[in-house]
Amino acid sequence: DTAVSQTPKYLVTQMGNDKSIKCEQNLGHDTMYWYKQDSKKFLKIMFSYNNKELIINETVPNRFSPKSPDKAHLNLHINSLELGDSAVYFCASRGQPNSPLHFGNGTRLTVT
Amino acid sequence: GNSVTQMEGPVTLSEEAFLTINCTYTATGYPSLFWYVQYPGEGLQLLLKATKADDKGSNKGFEATYRKETTSFHLEKGSVQVSDSAVYFCALPSASGGYNKLIFGAGTRLAVHP
Repeated sequence: DTAVSQTPKYLVTQMGNDKSIKCEQNLGHDTMYWYKQDSKKFLKIMFSYNNKELIINETVPNRFSPKSPDKAHLNLHINSLELGDSAVYFCASRGQPNSPLHFGNGTRLTVT
Repeated sequence: GNSVTQMEGPVTLSEEAFLTINCTYTATGYPSLFWYVQYPGEGLQLLLKATKADDKGSNKGFEATYRKETTSFHLEKGSVQVSDSAVYFCALPSASGGYNKLIFGAGTRLAVHP
């Protein structure tokens, strides 16, 4: 029943490792997003895909690479993890432009 | 570009108190305005929205009116409950990129005590 689901919920890893976060939505939406939320709750958009095509690519280190195998999935791969990557990463999806976003419950990434 | 500014928190209230969280915006045109709520350990969820000037969005006892004259979209609730404790975000679409990007305020944490 979950509309936007992301895995894993928690991810603890060491500096220098490579990790992936997966996201799936069953709402039939065309557009999906990755947001990063820091410890002060500030939300920053990272990427957006529309029907498997990258449409938003904010100023994000190229260690972060999104991949959308189909419009229901948007994964995030992070290479060479750094301490500053520790945050909560949220996946979201949306139907029509100007309509609300639907968020997943987040993946808390801790880099030690 | 479009932007949104909301009051800093935390806001601490007793149960049944009146709540106001201020939000002002800068926008090209008249985009929809949103309030999202984030409960502890969860993702954001839409609380209410307004699509044009003078519209009032409402949900779960919360209200916000889209005011063009003051470029504001303040969130109000007449009587808060402990279960309303959460972080509240004001948001609007970016004017660039076909309104595909939603811009969020910094968030206001609300703590309600019994």
